[in-house]
Amino acid sequence: EVQLVESGGGLVQPGGSLRLSCAASGFTFSGYWMTWVRQAPGKGLEWVANVREDGGEKFYVDSVKGRFTISRDNVKNSLYLQMNSLRAEDTAVYYCARWYRDGHNHFDYWGQGTLVTVSS
Amino acid sequence: QTVVTQEPSFSVSPGGTVTLTCALSSGSVSTGYFPSWYQQTPGQPPRTLVYSTNIRSSGVPDRFSGSILGNKAALTITGAQANDEANYYCVLYMGKGIWVFGGGTKLTVL
Repeated sequence: EVQLVESGGGLVQPGGSLRLSCAASGFTFSGYWMTWVRQAPGKGLEWVANVREDGGEKFYVDSVKGRFTISRDNVKNSLYLQMNSLRAEDTAVYYCARWYRDGHNHFDYWGQGTLVTVSS
Repeated sequence: QTVVTQEPSFSVSPGGTVTLTCALSSGSVSTGYFPSWYQQTPGQPPRTLVYSTNIRSSGVPDRFSGSILGNKAALTITGAQANDEANYYCVLYMGKGIWVFGGGTKLTVL
């Protein structure tokens, strides 16, 4: 059974940093692109970042470029999101998701999410 | 700036049919954008319903169907049930690793 379990969320002051983790199991982690998607309170979903299977290619939404870094450890079967220079507008539930790319691009599995609150 | 637009809200009667749409600010939605649809109820993560325009995810009832209608992607629910009340999101793949979600449609079944 595919499982994605996020952790690392919490309360952080504006300008601070936080590192999210997503532990993957039930599939060959190194064979898939992975994604972070966020959802601000009461708002819609927003794609944040993707990372290639080997970590060698990464893409970000414009609003987080230069502040967030997506990475992965294929030995630990884990996905990460390093978030620096956090702003109030980064407050959201952050979901990790698996990107199924084999001819039918979509996010096929999602974690339960971890809440990040940026506030003083 | 690419914007993906969905109806903010929709209402359907139990047993009725409703079509939600997903439009692109910069032109027509085609299969090449791999439109996919996700259902989300309060406090839960998104659930994948339909991908690559019209392929139902495993376990999704056949009352959910996806298509291209005119210049938009569409999700049709036929024979709506009370537990279909949820928020529905479409997302389009822009290429080069970039995805854009629509704002979501809040569906009420009453």
